Amino acid sequence: QKEVEQDPGPLSVPEGAIVSLNCTYSNSAFQYFMWYRQYSRKGPELLMYTYSSGNKEDGRFTAQVDKSSKYISLFIRDSQPSDSATYLCAMGGGYQKVTFGTGTKLQVIP
Amino acid sequence: GAVVSQHPSWVICKSGTSVKIECRSLDFQATTMFWYRQFPKQSLMLMATSNEGSKATYEQGVEKDKFLINHASLTLSTLTVTSAHPEDSSFYICSARGQLSRGNTIYFGEGSWLTVV
Repeated sequence: QKEVEQDPGPLSVPEGAIVSLNCTYSNSAFQYFMWYRQYSRKGPELLMYTYSSGNKEDGRFTAQVDKSSKYISLFIRDSQPSDSATYLCAMGGGYQKVTFGTGTKLQVIP
Repeated sequence: GAVVSQHPSWVICKSGTSVKIECRSLDFQATTMFWYRQFPKQSLMLMATSNEGSKATYEQGVEKDKFLINHASLTLSTLTVTSAHPEDSSFYICSARGQLSRGNTIYFGEGSWLTVV
């Protein structure tokens, strides 16, 4: 079993839809969680960083962490074509190596 | 704006030559930097962890004599691909761990496309 599982997609949604991206993990030592957006041929860009269970909101993006279920989500409201990218979840604990999901490819159709 | 800068963005080199890629943290000191490789439509593959002032820690299967990593200062790490071959053509990305004030967040560079001909 991989430490971090992420559905690779692709996920296609119409413009304006609410997008839900998810990752599950098995290592209970993970303490902080991140979401990155990667456009084609570019380095990943940090979107959200969370350190505890609960929700964190930033504009159209909401990150949700449920440590008891070992499940994290990223919600995108009012999705735009410019949101089309690959979204990577990542997580780590203390100074341990950060572990990435395989990424979910999202396509928002105008 | 970018907090980690990577240079060059793309490079073409002849087979057998060496290529150096630089990774700089712009507004923070990074005691730890990471080097990744990414093939098309695949996720990031960690190659090595670079620690300032000490030898890099390579992941299993990564040739340390081929991929030389130097982390000479708290803001600069370099990856040198030695005796490059066409199969080394890939997208190389560095990242740096932020200081505690940034909550151990990992910031990525823009990536470097290497094509070996």
